Amino acid sequence: NAGVTQTPKFQVLKTGQSMTLQCAQDMNHEYMSWYRQDPGMGLRLIHYSVGAGITDQGEVPNGYNVSRSTTEDFPLRLLSAAPSQTSVYFCASSVKNTGELFFGEGSRLTVL
Amino acid sequence: KNEVEQSPQNLTAQEGEFITINCSYSVGISALHWLQQHPGGGIVSLFMLSSGKKKHGRLIATINIQEKHSSLHITASHPRDSAVYICASSYLGGSNYKLTFGKGTLLTVNP
Repeated sequence: NAGVTQTPKFQVLKTGQSMTLQCAQDMNHEYMSWYRQDPGMGLRLIHYSVGAGITDQGEVPNGYNVSRSTTEDFPLRLLSAAPSQTSVYFCASSVKNTGELFFGEGSRLTVL
Repeated sequence: KNEVEQSPQNLTAQEGEFITINCSYSVGISALHWLQQHPGGGIVSLFMLSSGKKKHGRLIATINIQEKHSSLHITASHPRDSAVYICASSYLGGSNYKLTFGKGTLLTVNP
């Protein structure tokens, strides 16, 4: 099993550009989520999904879009990148939304 | 809204010392997670618990539901234990369970 795979690991964008962070898991987990990690702050939930076709907003959803067309994939889209979106992003999955968490390796995004 | 507080923020220890990191939360939860993040690295789940105590090697996690408090203990600490330790609580917010994370405790173990 590969676990949770996130790509890319590093990305530099210009303000206004769009991009997609990919997240895939091969453990047949129902629950997937995206977090951002900023210095001095805890991980903050952006969006989450409790199953294919079902997504919901987290604590900081503005400027991000998600979809869950399959159990395996949960991409995070930045619609128009802003410097405030410079952060490290983590994708996580679990069997259910109260189960053990499995994290991807993280994606470091810089918006200039 | 659930608030998660960790203490201390930073902790420096000598190899072999017994370490305790504390976590308190403000609302009733369904589960409490302890995570480990090495510098520049990914995040690994250490424990998930909803009551009592769990042990894995030199690591022990306890939770007191009535006091809304959890502790992570490391016995016979080693330099490789140097990392950020994060607690997170899973609680029912609206129609789904959500996670709230503490800001982490940076542990440095010197040889």
